[in-house]
Amino acid sequence: GNSVTQMQGQVTLSEEEFLFINCTYSTTGYPTLFWYVQYPGEGPQLLLKVTTANNKGSSRGFEATYDKGTTSFHLQKASVQESDSAVYYCVLAQGGRALIFGTGTTVSVSP
Amino acid sequence: ETAVFQTPNYHVTQVGNEVSFNCKQTLGHDTMYWYKQDSKKLLKIMFSYNNKQLIVNETVPRRFSPQSSDKAHLNLRIKSVEPEDSAVYLCASSRTGYEQYFGPGTRLTVL
Repeated sequence: GNSVTQMQGQVTLSEEEFLFINCTYSTTGYPTLFWYVQYPGEGPQLLLKVTTANNKGSSRGFEATYDKGTTSFHLQKASVQESDSAVYYCVLAQGGRALIFGTGTTVSVSP
Repeated sequence: ETAVFQTPNYHVTQVGNEVSFNCKQTLGHDTMYWYKQDSKKLLKIMFSYNNKQLIVNETVPRRFSPQSSDKAHLNLRIKSVEPEDSAVYLCASSRTGYEQYFGPGTRLTVL
């Protein structure tokens, strides 16, 4: 079946450090992949999406590359700010069915 | 303003009571969803509605029931709440079935 794995439950950083969140997926065919971000007290919101294998998506300084060879969609940002503190979800969509969410990674950035 | 709106923001109730949560979207989307988010931030889809048809039901307990009057509204009723129903309930909508837009959530506490 379809699944998404985020092994890091929590990431703690200082401002201007590099952020990397690991995500791998399992599915058949060519899914669409997303990163959603959820700030405290809000619902998740779309951060970026990539529909084509081996393409890269970017938004607000975040980047993720859809790597079909390694079935990965890692998220990274070169220099984080305190305002990036949030929960980040790696998400898979396949065939128009419901989204499959990863378990989420809580990112805490201290000034 | 176009968005997904949820009421109430919070609700505290006793075991065995009935509760109802409202969701409205002004984005012109065709599909709406209810998710449950637990204390560990895990997101699980409960229902989705497309043109008044239930198209996804992830075997939630029978005490949960979605109610839709039109494609812009999808309410959630819980007939007799139990302690394990304490969670944040998130409503979302989409046009394509991929990019979903979420409301801010309703936090339910069952005493």
